[in-house]
Amino acid sequence: GAVVSQHPSRVICKSGTSVKIECRSLDFQATTMFWYRQFPKQSLMLMATSNEGSKATYEQGVEKDKFLINHASLTLSTLTVTSAHPEDSSFYICSASWGQSSYNEQFFGPGTRLTVL
Amino acid sequence: AQSVSQHNHHVILSEAASLELGCNYSYGGTVNLFWYVQYPGQHLQLLLKYFSGDPLVKGIKGFEAEFIKSKFSFNLRKPSVQWSDTAEYFCAVNANQAGTALIFGKGTTLSVSS
Repeated sequence: GAVVSQHPSRVICKSGTSVKIECRSLDFQATTMFWYRQFPKQSLMLMATSNEGSKATYEQGVEKDKFLINHASLTLSTLTVTSAHPEDSSFYICSASWGQSSYNEQFFGPGTRLTVL
Repeated sequence: AQSVSQHNHHVILSEAASLELGCNYSYGGTVNLFWYVQYPGQHLQLLLKYFSGDPLVKGIKGFEAEFIKSKFSFNLRKPSVQWSDTAEYFCAVNANQAGTALIFGKGTTLSVSS
């Protein structure tokens, strides 16, 4: 099956710093990538949808200036958490899909655990 | 807006018991339906999916799910659970349209005792 990787798997940073998380589709071209956030023992909440070469579409309540998403190529999307604060600590998961088919299966990355001190 | 409801927050079973996890969705159009599993410390894995055709779909590890359109339901079943099935189970739906995100239910924690 299709493989999606994320880097780093775990990051600890100081409050006020910025952190970049990468999401890569390793064996397919991802026309669309999605970023989710998962709180402990809770479901995945969609943050934004990004299509290659265009601006990301953010869900209501997600600050686009705080969570910068770039999808510059068909295999890479990045999420940058700017001026991180402890409340941004969470598990961030990306997924990717391809093509214009309505069979819109998504493949998930392993997630990135962000801890802001 | 689409939404997904999972009725059971935490299910506790003994090995060999049968499992059924409920999932209902709200969306007026054609949907794709999924069940994902997240084992402790691991990432999401697809158990099974429904796009069209036979409403009874079989997935990995002996799981199956039945799509009942009239009830907007997609319940997950397994005839006999194992200790290794202990995990978090998520039902998800997206519109049958390219580039649409998945909407997840809140998840059900399954604990299987040996």
